[in-house]
Formats: sequence, structure tokens, C-alpha cells
Amino acid sequence: DVKVTQSSRYLVKRTGEKVFLECVQDMDHENMFWYRQDPGLGLRLIYFSYDVKMKEKGDIPEGYSVSREKKERFSLILESASTNQTSMYLCASTGTANSPLHFGNGTRLTVT
Amino acid sequence: GQSLEQPSEVTAVEGAIVQINCTYQTSGFYGLSWYQQHDGGAPTFLSYNALDGLEETGRFSSFLSRSDSYGYLLLQELQMKDSASYFCAVSVSGNTPLVFGKGTRLSVIA
Repeated sequence: DVKVTQSSRYLVKRTGEKVFLECVQDMDHENMFWYRQDPGLGLRLIYFSYDVKMKEKGDIPEGYSVSREKKERFSLILESASTNQTSMYLCASTGTANSPLHFGNGTRLTVT
Repeated sequence: GQSLEQPSEVTAVEGAIVQINCTYQTSGFYGLSWYQQHDGGAPTFLSYNALDGLEETGRFSSFLSRSDSYGYLLLQELQMKDSASYFCAVSVSGNTPLVFGKGTRLSVIA
């Protein structure tokens, strides 16, 4: 079974802090994604990566950056956290572009 | 832009059948997927339709009409554990990420 692991289930940070959300998958998947989920807005794509050291902006990249130094790890970075980044963050991976996504359990981030 | 429309909430009785519709307007179309998410859990893949017609997997079926830009998820013999959010998602092309709808919250009542 594919396992996508997000390092924290809950996180509380202060405004202006630099925040790292880590995601690791164990199935040698090429493709990895970061979504945020907010009530009534569904899943919105922040960034994605189709290969090591490759990254592409999704629909809402502002205020975020990503890092993919190794195939299995995809990190989401909030350079200076703001209260409007309080949300559930979901990482996902897939072997090929149109294969089913495998999601992690999410990180609920609160920025105060 | 890309848009997917699905009802925000649906309520149905245990043992009944419920249909969750999804209409889409996208710049391209490869296929329609459905995901289930229980409260506090991760979305999990349910089904994928690339061609017109009905795909059945146990109590769940998914239908696609490409000409109508429309699909639905059909859940039969509803159980309380089916209470969850259901998302439709479109593959716009062979190498771009899925576009998700905003989700339908299904409540199954006794």
C-alpha cells in the first residue's frame, strides 16, 4: 500500500514565522502535490512537482514555496506565515499524471 | 478557467440510493474521478471514468457523459459509514494535475 506521510498532524505558528510542512512518500512516485483545503472551497492546488528539483505553480502559489531535493520528499514552505494561511494542508503523490492520487492525512495549520 | 459544479450538501436515508452529480467546464478532458473524504481523514480514490457509461464497484457506481460534460456518483444501499464528503475531479490533460470540485457533503440518516 502506498503511504504518504505528513510530518505533523497539527501545527500552531505565529504570524511572520517561517513554516516547513514535510511530506514523504514510499512508492517511488514521480509526481507530488500540495493542496490546501478550506470549508466550502474544496481542494486548491498550491504547487506540484513531476520530478526531483522540478516545481510548478498551481492555482494559489502566492505566499508559498516548495522544495524537492529527493524523489520521496516534497516540502511546502511558508516564508512568512500569515493568518489567512490557517488551513488544512494535504500532500498527495501519484506514479503517473492520470493515476489516482494518494493523499497524506493532512496537517492542520493554525497561524495566530 | 476550469469549473466543476456539484451540490454542496445531500442528505439521504440509510438503505436508500443517492446520486451526486457533477458538471464540468474545462479546457480539456481526459477523465472524471471521484474521491471520498471522511471527517478528519484523507481523500481516497473511488472511481475513474474516461469513457461514456457506467462503471460499477460494489455499492458504488460512477457514470460519465462526455457530450453533456456531466457525471455522477451513485451510492446504493446507503450505510451510516458512507457519511462523508465526495469530490469529483477532472483530468484536463495527460500531464496536468487534477481539477477538483468543491465537494458534496453526504449525510446518511437513520
